[in-house]
Amino acid sequence: GESVGLHLPTLSVQEGDNSIINCAYSNSASDYFIWYKQESGKGPQFIIDIRSNMDKRQGQRVTVLLNKTVKHLSLQIAATQPGDSAVYFCAETGTGGYQKVTFGTGTKLQVIP
Amino acid sequence: KAGVTQTPRYLIKTRGQQVTLSCSPISGHRSVSWYQQTPGQGLQFLFEYFSETQRNKGNFPGRFSGRQFSNSRSEMNVSTLELGDSALYLCASSLSGEERNTIYFGEGSWLTVV
Repeated sequence: GESVGLHLPTLSVQEGDNSIINCAYSNSASDYFIWYKQESGKGPQFIIDIRSNMDKRQGQRVTVLLNKTVKHLSLQIAATQPGDSAVYFCAETGTGGYQKVTFGTGTKLQVIP
Repeated sequence: KAGVTQTPRYLIKTRGQQVTLSCSPISGHRSVSWYQQTPGQGLQFLFEYFSETQRNKGNFPGRFSGRQFSNSRSEMNVSTLELGDSALYLCASSLSGEERNTIYFGEGSWLTVV
């Protein structure tokens, strides 16, 4: 069935290092992917998105890579900072309507000072 | 520009009661969607409204309902509350939903059912 999932529940990274958060999806018809950051007590915050006709997209300190062959996407955060500590969700939309976002289970990123 | 505003932020209800949550989307946004977040089930889509019409619906029982007003503001209602309805309820808005518009979330309403 349609699902978006994450490989690791928790990721600990030293401050200044790069972080890589991975995500797998099962629906080959998925055509739009989004990464969200959720800090404690807050709603999800949009980070970056990518369409299925792309394999890489860069933002400020973040890069999303999409591998449609193996149905995998990743979020890379450069020079991780303490403020990056949060839960990160990959999400998919488009197959059920662009407002119906299917979220993965989330990865908690812990930045070690 | 104000973000998505949800009220109330926190509330406690008793089993069997009903609750209404309110959401004001970002100015100019016409699509409003609702999500439930729990530790066990994660973030799950409830429903989406556009131009006062429900356009998409998730897999939740009929006790969960919603509506949208002409000014795009939205409410969701949960009747006959159960303990398992305790969750963070998130509202999100976007421009239209016909394209891949960025979806913005509010801070959520924390509902505790006792």
